[in-house]
Amino acid sequence: DARVTQTPRHKVTEMGQEVTMRCQPILGHNTVFWYRQTMMQGLELLAYFRNRAPLDDSGMPKDRFSAEMPDATLATLKIQPSEPRDSAVYFCASGLRGDTQYFGPGTRLTVL
Amino acid sequence: GENVEQHPSTLSVQEGDSAVIKCTYSDSASNYFPWYKQELGKGPQLIIDIRSNVGEKKDQRIAVTLNKTAKHFSLHITETQPEDSAVYFCAASRETSGSRLTFGEGTQLTVNP
Repeated sequence: DARVTQTPRHKVTEMGQEVTMRCQPILGHNTVFWYRQTMMQGLELLAYFRNRAPLDDSGMPKDRFSAEMPDATLATLKIQPSEPRDSAVYFCASGLRGDTQYFGPGTRLTVL
Repeated sequence: GENVEQHPSTLSVQEGDSAVIKCTYSDSASNYFPWYKQELGKGPQLIIDIRSNVGEKKDQRIAVTLNKTAKHFSLHITETQPEDSAVYFCAASRETSGSRLTFGEGTQLTVNP
């Protein structure tokens, strides 16, 4: 049963600390997306990659957020320094053909 | 850019009744419209999608209709069951956009036993 995996599932940290979230896309998928979900903003696209190259990161605050794909089986989203307003659930999704996206279970981040 | 509006924001139905959720989109070039179901504490799961070359698609109790002229599409769930209770999101994208999905704000569906 192929699925997207994300670690950690939950993260509590203090303001100013670095946070790294990891995603393993479905094997063979060539497109990876990072979303943030909050009650106020709904589902927001932060960035996405195709064949490991960043295609769009316009939804991401550039001064503190960075996204990378070190290899085809790993995508990372890093926040440094973290702020309380970054508290949200962060989802990774992957796809093959392009449009159909399969979501992971998410990382619930709380920044105190 | 694309803008997707979804209505209603909450919907409560009795078990066995039908539920309908509607979305409108702004970008006439959008041609892919998926629907996702999100249960509490989980990621959104694709339940059905439709492309602009068809007007309706069915999968058991779930159907989606698309009206490209009016730029709206709808999710229909028949014979609802308590396990259908979840948040449902519609979305839209252009294939040429590199798969960037724009999501609606979600509908909290509650099916009362």
